[in-house]
Amino acid sequence: SQKIEQNSEALNIQEGKTATLTCNYTNYSPAYLQWYRQDPGRGPVFLLLIRENEKEKRKERLKVTFDTTLKQSLFHITASQPADSATYLCALPMDSSYKLIFGSGTRLLVRP
Amino acid sequence: DADVTQTPRNRITKTGKRIMLECSQTKGHDRMYWYRQDPGLGLRLIYYSFDVKDINKGEISDGYSVSRQAQAKFSLSLESAIPNQTALYFCATSAVGQGGRETQYFGPGTRLLVL
Repeated sequence: SQKIEQNSEALNIQEGKTATLTCNYTNYSPAYLQWYRQDPGRGPVFLLLIRENEKEKRKERLKVTFDTTLKQSLFHITASQPADSATYLCALPMDSSYKLIFGSGTRLLVRP
Repeated sequence: DADVTQTPRNRITKTGKRIMLECSQTKGHDRMYWYRQDPGLGLRLIYYSFDVKDINKGEISDGYSVSRQAQAKFSLSLESAIPNQTALYFCATSAVGQGGRETQYFGPGTRLLVL
């Protein structure tokens, strides 16, 4: 079955630097992959979706890449700010029903 | 107003009690989901419903039941709560968009403590 692997260790970076988070999956390449942001005690919020035929997607300071050969997506936040501190989850469709499975997330801490 | 609401937001209960968590949405979506989240384990799917007459088990449905009372309402019940059901519970909704892609919209969560 499909599994998602995200780094369980928190990523601690200085304000202004670029944060890069990794999402690896183990089985079939999904038709798309999503990234969500979750703040403590709150529900995840959708950020970006990238399709399998897209190499890169951007939204303001966010950039997502999708490499189906490596079975990996990278999530970048440029010019990071303390307000970007949160846990970031990747998600992809489980099967043809399009239900999503979520990674356990990587916590990002941006120091002022 | 929030598109997906959950009640209660916090609940403390005792082992063996029956409790119900409720979810309502104003997004007009057909699909609704219940997840639980535990530290280090991420979101795990308990039950899901693709329309009012459709109920499906997720990966961890034992000890839980659900009811889809209307398109906008999906409730989760713990028939006899046990301490390892202590977790953060999320309701989510979605609609399948162009190309079969779906994005999920989450409620604020219910923090449940079973003593």
